[in-house]
Amino acid sequence: SAVISQKPSRDICQRGTSLTIQCQVDSQVTMMFWYRQQPGQSLTLIATANQGSEATYESGFVIDKFPISRPNLTFSTLTVSNMSPEDSSIYLCSVPDRGTEAFFGQGTRLTVV
Amino acid sequence: QKEVEQNSGPLSVPEGAIASLNCTYSDRGSQSFFWYRQYSGKSPELIMSIYSNGDKEDGRFTAQLNKASQYVSLLIRDSQPSDSATYLCAVNYNQGGKLIFGQGTELSVKP
Repeated sequence: SAVISQKPSRDICQRGTSLTIQCQVDSQVTMMFWYRQQPGQSLTLIATANQGSEATYESGFVIDKFPISRPNLTFSTLTVSNMSPEDSSIYLCSVPDRGTEAFFGQGTRLTVV
Repeated sequence: QKEVEQNSGPLSVPEGAIASLNCTYSDRGSQSFFWYRQYSGKSPELIMSIYSNGDKEDGRFTAQLNKASQYVSLLIRDSQPSDSATYLCAVNYNQGGKLIFGQGTELSVKP
């Protein structure tokens, strides 16, 4: 499976600021996915990041709050903008392998104070 | 609204027993089904994938799929304390790695 590196691994941020999370993959992939896992909850898909086009956002997530970049086939960033304590979560990037299997980076644990 | 449902648990089993984890899904068009294990503070780790009706075995793990009943299960034989984790059921309905997750079942294996 692909090796996925995500950073930072954790951060504590002040409300009202923004944090950009990076995801690097060791092979070229067409699609990358960003998920959020709120405390004690399961994973929810934020958006699909496609190289060369705008990201596709799921219901309840908007580009102004979670802008995504996908400059090439091995890299993507997710920004959490104008943060509030409700944004405290683990953010995970994921890439597909063997068609439909999804593998995850180690995640970014974000705490907003 | 496509949904994946799991019993949240916690499910507690003694060491050496069989742990049975269940999952139902709402979309009949779903094609691929997965079980992930997530240790506290870690990211999900894929442990089983299943695509056709029946059983699929891998070591101590057996995944079972019944598309008619829209039901997926995971059996863990000879449970070990190291199996204690949250198990997430995930369903892919449009190919390409985009998944819908259940809420997860917390498993505790007691020595």
